[in-house]
Amino acid sequence: AQSVTQLDSHVSVSEGTPVLLRCNYSSSYSPSLFWYVQHPNKGLQLLLKYTSAATLVKGINGFEAEFKKSETSFHLTKPSAHMSDAAEYFCVVSPNSGYSTLTFGKGTMLLVSP
Amino acid sequence: GAVVSQHPSWVICKSGTSVKIECRSLDFQATTMFWYRQFPKQSLMLMATSNEGSKATYEQGVEKDKFLINHASLTLSTLTVTSAHPEDSSFYICSARRVSNQPQHFGDGTRLSIL
Repeated sequence: AQSVTQLDSHVSVSEGTPVLLRCNYSSSYSPSLFWYVQHPNKGLQLLLKYTSAATLVKGINGFEAEFKKSETSFHLTKPSAHMSDAAEYFCVVSPNSGYSTLTFGKGTMLLVSP
Repeated sequence: GAVVSQHPSWVICKSGTSVKIECRSLDFQATTMFWYRQFPKQSLMLMATSNEGSKATYEQGVEKDKFLINHASLTLSTLTVTSAHPEDSSFYICSARRVSNQPQHFGDGTRLSIL
């Protein structure tokens, strides 16, 4: 069994300040972990993925995430927020590298103010 | 690469009608396609998984006679909501995957509103 907990339903930051979106996971396997972003009325875009290689994963648009097995966490960070980063972010877990069954977190809405 | 197109993006129809949603992988062949449903301000819930040329596998609680899925080719899957009612109103998102060790690529979703 696997599950994902996104610790914040909403995160508000000012443009130019750092972003931290928190995610904890539970998995019976060595999981693959993903972060997806969803803009309003749009599908999901893959930001980055962890698949048991380097624990610090760099993604698109300046985002990165660190896999910490001891803490069962996969938090998403960005040094400096842009207005265009405002969207819903989903942390997703899949058993090993199969990509077969994705379990989604409930999402974190990132609000960016000028 | 890995573009998935979903059509229509928005549909409004009367209660009792059937609605077909298309999901196409534009630049790759998708052996597996997935259909998700998303309620407002909630996460995605997997409805069914379809492999090209075979019957879809539905998640528990999803009525297969209501949500008909066809995956007739490696680039096209369709979801038909039969005899739609207001409670079927939702945002439906498809995704496509080349092979099992590749990530899913998502379409832009279809907002279905049943009056």
